[in-house]
Amino acid sequence: AQTVTQSQPEMSVQEAETVTLSCTYDTSESDYYLFWYKQPPSRQMILVIRQEAYKQQNATENRFSVNFQKAAKSFSLKISDSQLGDAAMYFCAYSNFGNEKLTFGTGTRLTIIP
Amino acid sequence: GAVVSQHPSRVICKSGTSVKIECRSLDFQATTMFWYRQFPKQSLMLMATSNEGSKATYEQGVEKDKFLINHASLTLSTLTVTSAHPEDSSFYICSARTTPSNQPQHFGDGTRLSIL
Repeated sequence: AQTVTQSQPEMSVQEAETVTLSCTYDTSESDYYLFWYKQPPSRQMILVIRQEAYKQQNATENRFSVNFQKAAKSFSLKISDSQLGDAAMYFCAYSNFGNEKLTFGTGTRLTIIP
Repeated sequence: GAVVSQHPSRVICKSGTSVKIECRSLDFQATTMFWYRQFPKQSLMLMATSNEGSKATYEQGVEKDKFLINHASLTLSTLTVTSAHPEDSSFYICSARTTPSNQPQHFGDGTRLSIL
């Protein structure tokens, strides 16, 4: 079974600074997807970024980028120029190539310090 | 685009009541929908996966007679919590995706269910 581990229950960063959230996973598959979702206090899950395992290039979405290390099974999220609206729970998630199930990590609560 | 609407957002009811939660894809055809449960300060746990027109596939440990899932159309799935008890109180979230299978899941706003 696949597992996703987020070892940082809480993180904080000064506004406008950069923060990196860690995620490791375990799988025996070679093709899969990795995701970062954001859950603000409103509780809606919002897709931040997605990475396909067969792509070597790290995914980026504006201020959000990932460092995908397939051999190390590591998938960290970097948030640049942090904004107050970035405050939320961030969940790392895995799905197999058929994209049928999402396995979530336990989440990292990110606080932005004004 | 890719909006998923979940209703109601909050339900408070007495023990023994059955509660129905709706999940609708507003601007795409949801060939597959997923139902998750989230306990306070915990991650999302998948309960079941449903494909339009087929019976739902439940995760291990989830009672299919307790949590009835119907996915009768490409835009609507329902979760009915039958004879709800206080231990069923939780945050329930649906997600939906379209084909092909590499499309990401889009989430509803969730339903907070409180059983008195």
